[in-house]
Amino acid sequence: NAGVTQTPKFQVLKTGQSMTLQCAQDMNHEYMSWYRQDPGMGLRLIHYSVGAGITDQGEVPNGYNVSRSTTEDFPLRLLSAAPSQTSVYFCASSYSPFDSSGNTIYFGEGSWLTVV
Amino acid sequence: SQQGEEDPQALSIQEGENATMNCSYKTSINNLQWYRQNSGRGLVHLILIRSNEREKHSGRLRVTLDTSKKSSSLLITASRAADTASYFCATVESGGSNYKLTFGKGTLLTVNP
Repeated sequence: NAGVTQTPKFQVLKTGQSMTLQCAQDMNHEYMSWYRQDPGMGLRLIHYSVGAGITDQGEVPNGYNVSRSTTEDFPLRLLSAAPSQTSVYFCASSYSPFDSSGNTIYFGEGSWLTVV
Repeated sequence: SQQGEEDPQALSIQEGENATMNCSYKTSINNLQWYRQNSGRGLVHLILIRSNEREKHSGRLRVTLDTSKKSSSLLITASRAADTASYFCATVESGGSNYKLTFGKGTLLTVNP
């Protein structure tokens, strides 16, 4: 049981380049999400998915695309990277919504992205 | 927008002392959660407190929730050097999407040996 796996760990991109951050979980979780973490800003939700084939926007979706073709995978695509997208990206998954049943959300180890 | 605001932004204590971190939020919530993040690592879920609960314990952790003041506190008793990390509160808004977890900016706790 590997939990939530993110790749790559570190990436440097040039402005205008595209790339995909990969996220995979082996816990059969329906809910997956992507956050970005910037200094002094905490974590902000980019996109999330409540199951295969279903995605929705979070707080800061501009410049990012997602898809959810399988339960296990939730890739985050940057179509044309900008310096403002320099950040640490975290993928997370959970069995179900964060209601009072208290299902825990599990985070990956993060992907450090620098856009120059 | 940031829902939670932790206070203080940074806290430095000696091993064995207690550490208290506070979180304020803006809207009605379904539940509030606390997370720990070690430097360069992902977040780890610590504890969840529901809106109808006032206090919860887990090992050396004690969380309180005051919905009238829209605030929560995290107490770590008998701190250890290994507790050095950033601590974040996160909320699930009441009546909103149960899929959205809104984080505060975090408190950096340093426990000196």
